[in-house]
Amino acid sequence: EIVLTQSPGTLSLSPGDRATLSCRASQRFPSNYLAWYQQKPGQAPRLLIYGISSRAIGIPDRFSGSGSGTDFTLTISRLEPEDSAVFYCQQYGTSPTFGRGTKVEIK
Amino acid sequence: QAQLVQSGGEVKKPGASMKVSCKASGYTFSSYDISWVRQAPGQGLEWMGWISTYSGNTKYAEKFQGRFTMTTDSSTSTADMELRSLRSDDTAVYYCARCLGTAYYDAFDMWGQGTMVTVSS
Repeated sequence: EIVLTQSPGTLSLSPGDRATLSCRASQRFPSNYLAWYQQKPGQAPRLLIYGISSRAIGIPDRFSGSGSGTDFTLTISRLEPEDSAVFYCQQYGTSPTFGRGTKVEIK
Repeated sequence: QAQLVQSGGEVKKPGASMKVSCKASGYTFSSYDISWVRQAPGQGLEWMGWISTYSGNTKYAEKFQGRFTMTTDSSTSTADMELRSLRSDDTAVYYCARCLGTAYYDAFDMWGQGTMVTVSS
């Protein structure tokens, strides 16, 4: 099983700040099958990014994904209050696994 | 608009079985596959398995092989799951999720609202 390690565990930032979330895989996996999700309390996850860097439908361009190999990054360029959530990475190159999440708090 | 609507929450006793239903609307059901994902309280997400809504083919996560079954019914645009021999650590919110592409390992572009299942004696 591929283990995804997300860091930091919690990120506390102000509106307008840039957020950088990391996801590191325990081993390489096929192709570019890495996704990011946002989950707010009491809600289902929402797909933000798939294929490392492709934005899902309706996702604003301040969300971007990058990376390769075993290291991947989600960047939120200008935080807005509604971005407060837990963000998960997922690999789907093999049997899908998710990271444990990074909580983003807006001050 | 396209959506997945799941059946309501349940409380089950250890050793029992649970069933969750997921009804799709607003899109062509057989054009998108369905996966099931669960989330224990305060925990992360865990993929359970995939089913083709076109062929009925399935792929189960190794952890759930033997006690987990997925089915679909294209006439009602519904995907169902059953988990048997429940234990307390099966307490979780269970989600159906629409697969983005056509592979059994995939990202998920639409999710049901979740079904809370509590396993307790």
